[in-house]
Amino acid sequence: GAVVSQHPSRVICKSGTSVKIECRSLDFQATTMFWYRQFPKQSLMLMATSNEGSKATYEQGVEKDKFLINHASLTLSTLTVTSAHPEDSSFYICSARPAVRYNEQFFGPGTRLTVL
Amino acid sequence: GQQVMQIPQYQHVQEGEDFTTYCNSSTTLSNIQWYKQRPGGHPVFLIQLVKSGEVKKQKRLTFQFGEAKKNSSLHITATQTTDVGTYFCAGPVIYNQGGKLIFGQGTELSVKP
Repeated sequence: GAVVSQHPSRVICKSGTSVKIECRSLDFQATTMFWYRQFPKQSLMLMATSNEGSKATYEQGVEKDKFLINHASLTLSTLTVTSAHPEDSSFYICSARPAVRYNEQFFGPGTRLTVL
Repeated sequence: GQQVMQIPQYQHVQEGEDFTTYCNSSTTLSNIQWYKQRPGGHPVFLIQLVKSGEVKKQKRLTFQFGEAKKNSSLHITATQTTDVGTYFCAGPVIYNQGGKLIFGQGTELSVKP
């Protein structure tokens, strides 16, 4: 149980395009999902907290118009990187917190974004 | 601001040697969690410690939570090549009920066969 999927796993795009990443909790309901960014050899940096049915809460320094988050249901959150640039290239990981066992987070497999 | 620090950043060991990573928080934590990330993979939840002074074991892995609930350690006995990866500790962001975690920088473990 407690499986989180992410799609796509890898994406290469041209500068200026937008990329949508989906995060799904497959066998549980997630009232909260988190989006992280990880650079090589570095720790996870929380970008935003996504709550079902409400606006996402962004961490300081993260542009909400650049990284659009939608938490449409208790099992799906999406992150859209708008007008992507090479500096947006990174590993994006989502995690989902079950409605029960709220102290745990289950991570998706991540999406590696490369912007040319 | 709140910080979680981990040392060492890297550790290279010979297979069979022991390994320890240490985690220190600038604030008292209600709990601490440990994750393992294999190269190219995503973080996988290992364990959560809640009680002051708690010690938990998972086979060759021993996790400790300090008495003051500000530090923690992960010790691996007799490392194997399957232990390779980065180990992160994480604690809840204080004054946040939304489940946000703050991660340590991680300790990257490499094991030479």
